[in-house]
Amino acid sequence: QKEVEQDPGPLSVPEGAIVSLNCTYSNSAFQYFMWYRQYSRKGPELLMYTYSSGNKEDGRFTAQVDKSSKYISLFIRDSQPSDSATYLCAIEGTGKLIFGQGTTLQVKP
Amino acid sequence: GAVVSQHPSRVICKSGTSVKIECRSLDFQATTMFWYRQFPKQSLMLMATSNEGSKATYEQGVEKDKFLINHASLTLSTLTVTSAHPEDSSFYICSARDSGGAADTQYFGPGTRLTVL
Repeated sequence: QKEVEQDPGPLSVPEGAIVSLNCTYSNSAFQYFMWYRQYSRKGPELLMYTYSSGNKEDGRFTAQVDKSSKYISLFIRDSQPSDSATYLCAIEGTGKLIFGQGTTLQVKP
Repeated sequence: GAVVSQHPSRVICKSGTSVKIECRSLDFQATTMFWYRQFPKQSLMLMATSNEGSKATYEQGVEKDKFLINHASLTLSTLTVTSAHPEDSSFYICSARDSGGAADTQYFGPGTRLTVL
């Protein structure tokens, strides 16, 4: 079993839709959770960072962590074509980031 | 703030040559930098952790004699791919941990695309 599992998609939605991206993890000791956005041929960009269960909101983005289920989510409201990218969840474990496979999102105008 | 640069952004070389990639933190000090490799449509794979002033720690399966890492200052780490071969062609990305920020926040460079002919 991989330490972090993420459905690679691709996920295609119409502009304005609410997007839900998810990851599961196996080690309950993990405490820090991040979401990165990566455009094609670019480095990942940190979107959200959280360390506790619950929700964290930043503009159109909401990160959700459920430690009891070992499940993390990223919600994008009012999705835009510019949100089309690969979204990677990452979890801090023993000083290193462990990445999910990444979900490719396409938002169609 | 928290900008990380990489140079070059793209390099094409002949098989058997060595290639050096630079990673710089532009507006913060980074005692720890990380080097990742990413193949098409795959996630980032950590290659090594680089600490300023000490030897890098390599992940299992990564040849330390092939991928030489030097972290001589708080703002610069270099990765040298020695005797590169076509199978080394990949997207190499560095990240830097902000020493003055949260211990687990990494900022990534834009990546270097290496093509070995």
